Amino acid sequence: SQQGEEDPQALSIQEGENATMNCSYKTSINNLQWYRQNSGRGLVHLILIRSNEREKHSGRLRVTLDTSKKSSSLLITASRAADTASYFCAVFFLGYALNFGKGTSLLVTP
Amino acid sequence: DTAVSQTPKYLVTQMGNDKSIKCEQNLGHDTMYWYKQDSKKFLKIMFSYNNKELIINETVPNRFSPKSPDKAHLNLHINSLELGDSAVYFCASSQVGGTYEQYFGPGTRLTVT
Repeated sequence: SQQGEEDPQALSIQEGENATMNCSYKTSINNLQWYRQNSGRGLVHLILIRSNEREKHSGRLRVTLDTSKKSSSLLITASRAADTASYFCAVFFLGYALNFGKGTSLLVTP
Repeated sequence: DTAVSQTPKYLVTQMGNDKSIKCEQNLGHDTMYWYKQDSKKFLKIMFSYNNKELIINETVPNRFSPKSPDKAHLNLHINSLELGDSAVYFCASSQVGGTYEQYFGPGTRLTVT
């Protein structure tokens, strides 16, 4: 099965800085989604980008998708301590399932 | 109101035992999933049910048996538990043909001793 693979595995920044994390995958997709997981909690959907889209914005989030490189990036601008969490990308294929990567652990310090 | 709920939240049991985890969603979704998240946070899909029918069954030992009595419920039964089964198990649901967004439950932390 294909997975999203996030990079870096861990990222530490200060409040106010931007955080960028990347995701790569291996085969065709219908869409790619980013999720956030706070410690000890379930995943929460952040944003979805379809295979025919190149960029999408939602608040302080910006997602790009390059299907030729099979990669996506998630940018969080003006980060806050509350953004501290693990971020997962997931590729959607075959209509029913998502395959997740190992996540990027983001630490935002005051 | 909780959208996707799981019980129990924590489960500690000994090797060889049989246990079940229950999941319910009140979102009216037609598809439900079980995921396993290991200690390294790798989240792997185990099963997917659409309208009570099994549609995805990843490489999972047959000691794991999902059961969907109706669209709103997907339970996971595990026989002869092994140490390697220790993980956090997440239930999720989505509406195929809709936004494809998945809604996750809070997780069940299973510890096998």
